[in-house]
Amino acid sequence: GAGVSQSPSNKVTEKGKDVELRCDPISGHTALYWYRQSLGQGLEFLIYFQGNSAPDKSGLPSDRFSAERTGGSVSTLTIQRTQQEDSAVYLCASSRGRQQYFGPGTRLTVL
Amino acid sequence: QQPVQSPQAVILREGEDAVINCSSSKALYSVHWYRQKHGEAPVFLMILLKGGEQKGHDKISASFNEKKQQSSLYLTASQLSYSGTYFCGTSASGGGADGLTFGKGTHLIIQP
Repeated sequence: GAGVSQSPSNKVTEKGKDVELRCDPISGHTALYWYRQSLGQGLEFLIYFQGNSAPDKSGLPSDRFSAERTGGSVSTLTIQRTQQEDSAVYLCASSRGRQQYFGPGTRLTVL
Repeated sequence: QQPVQSPQAVILREGEDAVINCSSSKALYSVHWYRQKHGEAPVFLMILLKGGEQKGHDKISASFNEKKQQSSLYLTASQLSYSGTYFCGTSASGGGADGLTFGKGTHLIIQP
């Protein structure tokens, strides 16, 4: 079946603008995760959804970052007033148990 | 805290063996191993759970030492396709789905 999909695949924005990143999980997967991967670094956990609720928002770097999930499916990660340090690949993963399946990511570049 | 992976990088000839280690300072419930090729999404390899046995498929296996909070990934008779960056992700929660804390990765290069 279809895997996790993310859009856009690439996003270039100017400092101070808001961006929205979208994740479409594997059908039937109740859990959804957002991670960030900066150049040459490991994956940094941002937020996790179980259904539509987010029991763990501990990884969000600042209050400029927010995420929502509607209908237990699609999720949107929003970054307001983007800064250059927000440049990274944003990866989404979904799971039905412990095994997480990753999408291809959105490469965000803030100029 | 972020688990520590070692080595940071390793270069092997095809057919040689490699061991990648992942160590945590906190008590773990599970360790997840992924391989990522440049520009691609991480691909799941295996999960090791507290109290579980050593796992493996084909020529890739892993172990989890609960007392030391360490996991090791073993690649035997390496193939060119094994090249990539290997990440361990850890969880202290036994509750099921959980955000993972990843190490910085180990770069593995397999040469013909």
